[in-house]
Amino acid sequence: GAVVSQHPSWVICKSGTSVKIECRSLDFQATTMFWYRQFPKQSLMLMATSNEGSKATYEQGVEKDKFLINHASLTLSTLTVTSAHPEDSSFYICSAGAYISYNEQFFGPGTRLTVL
Amino acid sequence: QKEVEQNSGPLSVPEGAIASLNCTYSDRVSQSFFWYRQYSGKSPELIMSIYSNGDKEDGRFTAQLNKASQYVSLLIRDSQPSDSATYLCAVNPQTGANNLFFGTGTRLTVIP
Repeated sequence: GAVVSQHPSWVICKSGTSVKIECRSLDFQATTMFWYRQFPKQSLMLMATSNEGSKATYEQGVEKDKFLINHASLTLSTLTVTSAHPEDSSFYICSAGAYISYNEQFFGPGTRLTVL
Repeated sequence: QKEVEQNSGPLSVPEGAIASLNCTYSDRVSQSFFWYRQYSGKSPELIMSIYSNGDKEDGRFTAQLNKASQYVSLLIRDSQPSDSATYLCAVNPQTGANNLFFGTGTRLTVIP
């Protein structure tokens, strides 16, 4: 149980284009989903918290107009990187909150974005 | 600012030894605590959760929590090379919410 999928697993795009990443909770409903970014050899950085049916809450320094988050259902959240640039190249990971025993978060497998 | 501190390592142990990973947190009212394992190039995987003071064992893993000292640890017995990874400590500050504060992780290398 508590499986989270992400699609695509990797994507290469040209500078200036937009990329959409999907995050799904497969066997549970997640009222809250989280989006993280991780650069090589660095720790996880929380970008935003997404609650179903409401606007996402972005962490300080994360541009909400550049990283569009939609959480339209209890099993799906999407992150769209708009007008991507090479510095947006990173490993993007979503997680879904579930109360199994202790308010755990379960992570998707991640999406590796490379912007040329 | 809620802080979670971990020794970044690297921590090297020989195969078969006990690996001990430590974590301290600053928010005294934190409720639940987690250990995630992250292999290089992969996303974090939840391996242990603990809520109450004391020890919690699951196979070769034991989580230890001391709320008075604001300290949580992970012991890995009979360490295997496949345990080589970065271990992230995470703290949930309140019940009813899923947000976690992560440490920067401890890199463990198990030497065959």
